[in-house]
Amino acid sequence: SAVISQKPSRDICQRGTSLTIQCQVDSQVTMMFWYRQQPGQSLTLIATANQGSEATYESGFVIDKFPISRPNLTFSTLTVSNMSPEDSSIYLCSVLGTGSPNEQFFGPGTRLTVL
Amino acid sequence: AQTVTQSQPEMSVQEAETVTLSCTYDTSESNYYLFWYKQPPSRQMILVIRQEAYKQQNATENRFSVNFQKAAKSFSLKISDSQLGDTAMYFCAFRPMDSNYQLIWGAGTKLIIKP
Repeated sequence: SAVISQKPSRDICQRGTSLTIQCQVDSQVTMMFWYRQQPGQSLTLIATANQGSEATYESGFVIDKFPISRPNLTFSTLTVSNMSPEDSSIYLCSVLGTGSPNEQFFGPGTRLTVL
Repeated sequence: AQTVTQSQPEMSVQEAETVTLSCTYDTSESNYYLFWYKQPPSRQMILVIRQEAYKQQNATENRFSVNFQKAAKSFSLKISDSQLGDTAMYFCAFRPMDSNYQLIWGAGTKLIIKP
């Protein structure tokens, strides 16, 4: 298993500002994922972040809006840029474990509210 | 397109009862993995149980077991002797075996255990 922490756990932000969410893992992992979970909804994958390469974004998500960094095998950041109220969601970091079948482990999430 | 359907938006049972959450999926793949995740009010997404499609035997984890019907593309979760701590959102997820590890998620079922 992997222990994942996220900072901040929650934040309230003003429209037009940006917020960077940090994800720290207690072990080295190859693949990290960022998800968005809108209120009462299931998870939507934003992007996959591998160390040493550009993040791969899913349809509907672009790098200018959600820039991601992956400087090493234990850390990643997701920035939500130029925020609007529609960005109010829980943002979850996830990593791929090394067991079979490579199950995903999740961080506690960041609850973002945009006013 | 591959989809996961959870037809029960919300369920509630009395403590100590047994409850079954339904999940169906649609895929043309023959080899894949299925997962049940639990998300309590704390937001932490926790893996409850997983099933490899090539295994005929249903997976069990203590009070949690699945009824995997591959031909029917059904993957229900049974919780025996339910406890107050089982109150959570439950998500069914699917992943093809040769995928890039992306999970396809159901919409979730809100389970409430009443004292």
